Amino acid sequence: EAQVTQNPRYLITVTGKKLTVTCSQNMNHEYMSWYRQDPGLGLRQIYYSMNVEVTDKGDVPEGYKVSRKEKRNFPLILESPSPNQTSLYFCASSLDRGRGYTFGSGTRLTVV
Amino acid sequence: GQQVMQIPQYQHVQEGEDFTTYCNSSTTLSNIQWYKQRPGGHPVFLIQLVKSGEVKKQKRLTFQFGEAKKNSSLHITATQTTDVGTYFCAGYTGRRALTFGSGTRLQVQP
Repeated sequence: EAQVTQNPRYLITVTGKKLTVTCSQNMNHEYMSWYRQDPGLGLRQIYYSMNVEVTDKGDVPEGYKVSRKEKRNFPLILESPSPNQTSLYFCASSLDRGRGYTFGSGTRLTVV
Repeated sequence: GQQVMQIPQYQHVQEGEDFTTYCNSSTTLSNIQWYKQRPGGHPVFLIQLVKSGEVKKQKRLTFQFGEAKKNSSLHITATQTTDVGTYFCAGYTGRRALTFGSGTRLQVQP
């Protein structure tokens, strides 16, 4: 089944403890993106990647890192999480710029 | 900052009433995409419009792309409870990334 898989689905962590949210897609998609969703703010892009080793900042990249060493994987790294990074995170992928994105099921992160 | 705006933020309708959400961009869009997110779910791609003035239909849903390619609308005829959710438009605003609007949350009263 074609899908985007995110892990974990839920995570509660403490301020400053490094964490990684994994994202994997099995559709051979070129484009991958990370979004965060907060009430009233819609989906805001954190980082995106157009291919292996090609990444760029979105609208809210501060406090986040990404890497794209393989086409299928696009992990999101929070080196030192803070409470303002408490949010619902979505990974998404697309074959190219002219196609719709397929979203993962989301990761609900709470930083205390 | 965000360059794609959506109105209204929220709409509550009686089942059977029509619903429309509007999407406006400050810059010309190469294409516009629409997504639906059910409560507790993830966004799901509905459709893409590419041409100026394009109109597409999916059953009770009608999507339009403005002549200037700066605005778009989604109209639902005779809403049903299954239409409940948040509808997002998204477009490429010149950057290489897809920018989403803030979304319109639709509530349908049975």
